[in-house]
Amino acid sequence: GAVVSQHPSRVICKSGTSVKIECRSLDFQATTMFWYRQFPKKSLMLMATSNEGSKATYEQGVEKDKFLINHASLTLSTLTVTSAHPEDSSFYICSARDRLREKLFFGSGTQLSVL
Amino acid sequence: EDQVTQSPEALRLQEGESSSLNCSYTVSGLRGLFWYRQDPGKGPEFLFTLYSAGEEKEKERLKATLTKKESFLHITAPKPEDSATYLCAVLYRDDKIIFGKGTRLHILP
Repeated sequence: GAVVSQHPSRVICKSGTSVKIECRSLDFQATTMFWYRQFPKKSLMLMATSNEGSKATYEQGVEKDKFLINHASLTLSTLTVTSAHPEDSSFYICSARDRLREKLFFGSGTQLSVL
Repeated sequence: EDQVTQSPEALRLQEGESSSLNCSYTVSGLRGLFWYRQDPGKGPEFLFTLYSAGEEKEKERLKATLTKKESFLHITAPKPEDSATYLCAVLYRDDKIIFGKGTRLHILP
């Protein structure tokens, strides 16, 4: 079964609104979670690395104020797309690192469509 | 420059026709190399982790190998249901991760 739960799987919103995506590790503690963006037929693009209890580390070119990341507990990280615009429409995926098993597990992804 | 390159970009095979996918990397302090399978509209599904040169892992028709410069994902007698994009990722120093762009595999019945 899934070890990383991502919610919602699909969201449609109006331009200018904010959308929150949740990523939970179900049976392990994830001190590090990652957020990616994926365009059709393209590979994953790392947006930011989220560490529990500290500020996220953003990749070059990713706007911190646009994509707010919170990793308040060892099992939950959230990505909030603020003031969404049509160009933010994409497939967003999270992953969580299980240090004990040295594996990286992925959520099922969230398809965001901004009208 | 730290880099992960996958080849080929796309591969079409007949059912039963074995082949290999390549993932080459140039990073320092390799801590692990991951292989994933991704179906359209879904998150990547974990396949293997390899830690050191010479290591091999198998799962059904898939076998992953690792050298100091690259990894191969061998697929033996593939079936149409093996069609997917296969991604490799490298975990290296300071917990950094880089993904390759993937190989789109299409198995024809």
